[in-house]
Amino acid sequence: DAGVTQSPTHLIKTRGQHVTLRCSPISGHKSVSWYQQVLGQGPQFIFQYYEKEERGRGNFPDRFSARQFPNYSSELNVNALLLGDSALYLCASSLSSTGGRTDTQYFGPGTRLTVL
Amino acid sequence: GIQVEQSPPDLILQEGANSTLRCNFSDSVNNLQWFHQNPWGQLINLFYIPSGTKQNGRLSATTVATERYSLLYISSSQTTDSGVYFCAVVTSGSRLTFGEGTQLTVNP
Repeated sequence: DAGVTQSPTHLIKTRGQHVTLRCSPISGHKSVSWYQQVLGQGPQFIFQYYEKEERGRGNFPDRFSARQFPNYSSELNVNALLLGDSALYLCASSLSSTGGRTDTQYFGPGTRLTVL
Repeated sequence: GIQVEQSPPDLILQEGANSTLRCNFSDSVNNLQWFHQNPWGQLINLFYIPSGTKQNGRLSATTVATERYSLLYISSSQTTDSGVYFCAVVTSGSRLTFGEGTQLTVNP
């Protein structure tokens, strides 16, 4: 089975633009989470979606939004890009969202976003 | 929120050496995962270990939940072990809180 896939792999935008990042979870996984990793730091939680509903939101501004589709794939949208949004954006999938063993999260390869 | 501290921040080894990476966390957790991030940014699952000890080849991990720490052991290190090792904990739902990582360099 394929792992978590993300697109695009790399993206260059300018300040003020909008960006959409995409993620497809492992087959059978119903939960998708998004993380932002700035260079030299650990990933920071942005959103979690389970069965198309938002289950958690990290400390990020309203410029960040996400949604999950009926096939469990997900999009992360960022409006009015700032230089500080330059980062590796990681998507993770898991079977459920209860915090137990079935919530082991598996990460995709990430999308590297550069804002100029 | 919960604090996750990893030590050491950097570690340089010769091939064949053993090492221990530590993860301390400030509150009770529902689960804990160890990851290896390769130079291309891919996070690779190593262990799901909320408590107890597990082994997988040259790697093993121990979590003592009552004392709020976890250890990752790497034996007979190889150059391919280089990268950043992250500890991440879950406190609510399945949201992961990561430490700052340990940058491991294994020289031939």
